[in-house]
Amino acid sequence: ETGVTQTPRHLVMGMTNKKSLKCEQHLGHNAMYWYKQSAKKPLELMFVYSLEERVENNSVPSRFSPECPNSSHLFLHLHTLQPEDSALYLCASSPFGGGNNEQFFGPGTRLTVL
Amino acid sequence: SQQGEEDPQALSIQEGENATMNCSYKTSINNLQWYRQNSGRGLVHLILIRSNEREKHSGRLRVTLDTSKKSSSLLITASRAADTASYFCATDDGYGNKLVFGAGTILRVKS
Repeated sequence: ETGVTQTPRHLVMGMTNKKSLKCEQHLGHNAMYWYKQSAKKPLELMFVYSLEERVENNSVPSRFSPECPNSSHLFLHLHTLQPEDSALYLCASSPFGGGNNEQFFGPGTRLTVL
Repeated sequence: SQQGEEDPQALSIQEGENATMNCSYKTSINNLQWYRQNSGRGLVHLILIRSNEREKHSGRLRVTLDTSKKSSSLLITASRAADTASYFCATDDGYGNKLVFGAGTILRVKS
């Protein structure tokens, strides 16, 4: 247990569905992250929030929409996804933003787009 | 763009043997981190080494950093079956803005 939880753990959705991934951290951290992990590819940073403000958007398609209502919660809203979006989506948090901190990861949501 | 690249891509050893994984990176860094990921799970932080450090230990883990060669190594001594996992190095992007991960080394420890 790292103190970062993600729900659901598994999600199967059609291309026309709308769904949301949820992440919650119980560590009092100020920064939260969404990563995409596809088979045989390095972890891809999608979004970074620091103090509830989005500070990084790594050219992610608009069919992925993040939301950070407070420093403990992070959502990833999904709509009109493509089969190539099937991947493991990982949430992480760290005490502060930037690349000089240890990041704490959740267990991930395994997403399958049919 | 990918900053760290691990070598080898896959490693299979017997329980009790040592496992060594290497990471090379391209730009100047402030720190380098190693993470472990069990199959289909989240990543777990193992160790962070700063650019002014050359070696760091944590239990059975030993990490070295050579900034002149832009490389790092992770040594796991007396490996156990439970060490079977993927291991990733991650560096800051040179500006301290974010972590950039490599593609990882898949380690299999046979009992």
